[in-house]
Amino acid sequence: GAVVSQHPSWVICKSGTSVKIECRSLDFQATTMFWYRQFPKQSLMLMATSNEGSKATYEQGVEKDKFLINHASLTLSTLTVTSAHPEDSSFYICSARGETSEAYNEQFFGPGTRLTVL
Amino acid sequence: DAKTTQPPSMDCAEGRAANLPCNHSTISGNEYVYWYRQIHSQGPQYIIHGLKNNETNEMASLIITEDRKSSTLILPHATLRDTAVYYCIVRARGSQGNLIFGKGTKLSVKP
Repeated sequence: GAVVSQHPSWVICKSGTSVKIECRSLDFQATTMFWYRQFPKQSLMLMATSNEGSKATYEQGVEKDKFLINHASLTLSTLTVTSAHPEDSSFYICSARGETSEAYNEQFFGPGTRLTVL
Repeated sequence: DAKTTQPPSMDCAEGRAANLPCNHSTISGNEYVYWYRQIHSQGPQYIIHGLKNNETNEMASLIITEDRKSSTLILPHATLRDTAVYYCIVRARGSQGNLIFGKGTKLSVKP
């Protein structure tokens, strides 16, 4: 089946620093990737939709200047949390929508990245 | 996408079948029923999906009522590793939008 990886799996940073999270589709091309955030004991909430080669579309209430998304290739999207604060501590999950015949239009999820801001 | 309703939690004895219900009374004709699960601190994992016929794969079975207003995910022999939050999502296949997650059902498999 289609595999999506994320790196790093966990990160601890100081308040005010920036953190980059990578999301890769390993065996298929993904023109669309989604970034979700999940706080403890809550469900996944969509932050933004990323299309290869174009600007990301952010959900209401998500600051585009704080959560920078780059989708430069069909297999890689990055999320950069700029000037991180403790309230940004969360579980960040990416998802990629497949474009191959096997994975056409199905959505596959990465393992998630646990961000802790001190 | 149609809204779904699931019980917030369920318990199941190890080795027994786990039957997780989902109501989707406003489902439309072109919408599929998808099931995902999320084990603690991991990303969601696809389990199964169906339109109107019952479906079975190596992980689970999906039973959809004739009127398609509800469905049941069956894990035939639950193990401790099946403890997770299970999400029922209805969505038109090929939809360009993202998957929308509700609160799901927290299944606890007990020894």
